[in-house]
Amino acid sequence: EPEVTQTPSHQVTQMGQEVILRCVPISNHLYFYWYRQILGQKVEFLVSFYNNEISEKSEIFDDQFSVERPDGSNFTLKIRSTKLEDSAMYFCASSGLAGGPTQYFGPGTRLTVL
Amino acid sequence: AQSVTQLDSQVPVFEEAPVELRCNYSSSVSVYLFWYVQYPNQGLQLLLKYLSGSTLVESINGFEAEFNKSQTSFHLRKPSVHISDTAEYFCAVRVNRDDKIIFGKGTRLHILP
Repeated sequence: EPEVTQTPSHQVTQMGQEVILRCVPISNHLYFYWYRQILGQKVEFLVSFYNNEISEKSEIFDDQFSVERPDGSNFTLKIRSTKLEDSAMYFCASSGLAGGPTQYFGPGTRLTVL
Repeated sequence: AQSVTQLDSQVPVFEEAPVELRCNYSSSVSVYLFWYVQYPNQGLQLLLKYLSGSTLVESINGFEAEFNKSQTSFHLRKPSVHISDTAEYFCAVRVNRDDKIIFGKGTRLHILP
């Protein structure tokens, strides 16, 4: 069964450094998303991406964040200058013609900012 | 604005006993409803969903949920839980034609031996 994959599973970085989190969505999906879950809190929407542009973003998704689909398979989230409060689990999700309105989530990348 | 309320942050239940995890949502328009499960140290997995049609939906591992429009609820139930059901369960809503999924705070299901 096709699934969303994410790399790395864990990322440790120093405050102020740039990080790139990678995701490979399900191959025939057209809509891509990033969410995050700070430890002990609810899962929060960051951004959605369709047709090579952002379709919706939350207040969390400020100028420090960017997303890109550099090729036909990868979907990345970049945090330009990490802050301590960016420490969280980041989930990628995808949906599309096959999945309909259902979003399928990857296993997540745990980001720790020191 | 849409929101999801899971009143119980933690539910302890004995193995083989029934369980109900409560979920209420608020929305003025039609919605899609989901339950996701997060096993310890793992990601989010889709457990079941209501998109349209029958208001009672079932998962392959014995869970079911019923969409109740008048009560704006989507409670999750299982008649007999197993130790392997230990996980955190998230109720979620997606408004038609909207992008994002809005999650509840989650309910941690703790199975007692």
